[in-house]
Amino acid sequence: QQPVQSPQAVILREGEDAVINCSSSKALYSVHWYRQKHGEAPVFLMILLKGGEQKGHDKISASFNEKKQQSSLYLTASQLSYSGTYFCGTELPGDAGNMLTFGGGTRLMVKP
Amino acid sequence: SQTIHQWPATLVQPVGSPLSLECTVEGTSNPNLYWYRQAAGRGLQLLFYSVGIGQISSEVPQNLSASRPQDRQFILSSKKLLLSDSGFYLCAWRQGDGYTEAFFGQGTRLTVV
Repeated sequence: QQPVQSPQAVILREGEDAVINCSSSKALYSVHWYRQKHGEAPVFLMILLKGGEQKGHDKISASFNEKKQQSSLYLTASQLSYSGTYFCGTELPGDAGNMLTFGGGTRLMVKP
Repeated sequence: SQTIHQWPATLVQPVGSPLSLECTVEGTSNPNLYWYRQAAGRGLQLLFYSVGIGQISSEVPQNLSASRPQDRQFILSSKKLLLSDSGFYLCAWRQGDGYTEAFFGQGTRLTVV
C-alpha cells in the first residue's frame, strides 16, 4: 500500500524552511527519501530504519516516528538547488529489502 | 562501481503495438530489480519487482509483463500498448540484503499515440 505524502506542492523563497510529511496506514520497517529533478531519475537522500531515528544531510534532515507510522523531511534554509519532487518510499516488515513503494510525491519550488 | 543501464531513452509507439524495455545492472550480483511507472506529474507506481532469476512479483494488474532472464537483466513487455500506458518508466536496483537504497536508471519516456 502506497504511503501518503503532504503537502502535494510547496513554493518557497530562498532561505525559507519546509516540512514534507509521509504517512502509512501500516507499520513500517523503513522509510526512504528521494529527490527527482524534472525528467531525471530520482536520487537517494536518506533512509531511516528505526523508530525515532533522525538523519541529516547538509541542511536536509528527516525523522521517523514508528508509533505514528510516519516520517517527516525537513529542508532548512532552502536553496535553489532544492527544487524538485520529493518522494518517500516505504517498506513493510516482512517485505524488507524486497518491495519498496513510493508516495505521490511533493513538488517543491524554491524561488530567488 | 555499480551502474544501471536503461534503454531506449524515449519511445513513441502506436496503440496496439508491442513493447520491450530493457534494463541491465553492472558491478553487482543478485540484485533486487524494480520497474516503476510515473505518469505526468504523478508519483512512482511500482509495477513489478524481482528478487531473483525468473522470480517476478506484480503489483498492479495491467497489460504489462516483466521477465528476468538473467541475474542482472530485467525486461518490461507488452503485447498490445494502450494509450494509458504512456508515461515515464524507471528501472531500479537494490542490494538484496535489505537496509539499502534504490538506484534508478535514467528512465524511458514512452508515448503511445
